[in-house]
Amino acid sequence: QKEVEQDPGPLSVPEGAIVSLNCTYSNSAFQYFMWYRQYSRKGPELLMYTYSSGNKEDGRFTAQVDKSSKYISLFIRDSQPSDSATYLCAMNTGFQKLVFGTGTRLLVSP
Amino acid sequence: GAGVSQSPSNKVTEKGKDVELRCDPISGHTALYWYRQSLGQGLEFLIYFQGNSAPDKSGLPSDRFSAERTGGSVSTLTIQRTQQEDSAVYLCASSPSRVHEQYFGPGTRLTVT
Repeated sequence: QKEVEQDPGPLSVPEGAIVSLNCTYSNSAFQYFMWYRQYSRKGPELLMYTYSSGNKEDGRFTAQVDKSSKYISLFIRDSQPSDSATYLCAMNTGFQKLVFGTGTRLLVSP
Repeated sequence: GAGVSQSPSNKVTEKGKDVELRCDPISGHTALYWYRQSLGQGLEFLIYFQGNSAPDKSGLPSDRFSAERTGGSVSTLTIQRTQQEDSAVYLCASSPSRVHEQYFGPGTRLTVT
């Protein structure tokens, strides 16, 4: 079993929909949780970063961490075609390597 | 400001040749990471530098892979005697001291023929 599991998709939604992207993990020592967006043939771009459990909001994006369930989510409100990309969750225990999910491909149609 | 840069952006090489991939981190970032991204595999950690030291090399797949960092800045990842399974996108990331977020470069796409 991988340390971080993420549904590869693709997830197809119409413009304006609320999108929910999720990851589960097995290592209870993970404390820091990140979401990256990656466009085709580009490097991952950091979207959100949260520590421990709780919610964090940034514009149309909300990140949630539930450490008791080992489950993290990224919500995108009012999705746009420009949000079409692969979304990667990542996490670590400290100042060291990130462990990534395999990414979920999101397609937002006009 | 300037982000993480990597060169070359694309590299095609013949099996058995050596290649060098370069990473220029964001100025002032003390930590530097190399990852490999293969189709369907996600991002795989290779090595982590703090300053010029590499406290974690656990992800290097074989002794054909090596990396160094000089002046607490530029890093080079070297792959000797390349194999077809080395074909992937090699990504570099950097972060400031004692900060968890990592910022990625655009990657080097390596194709071994």
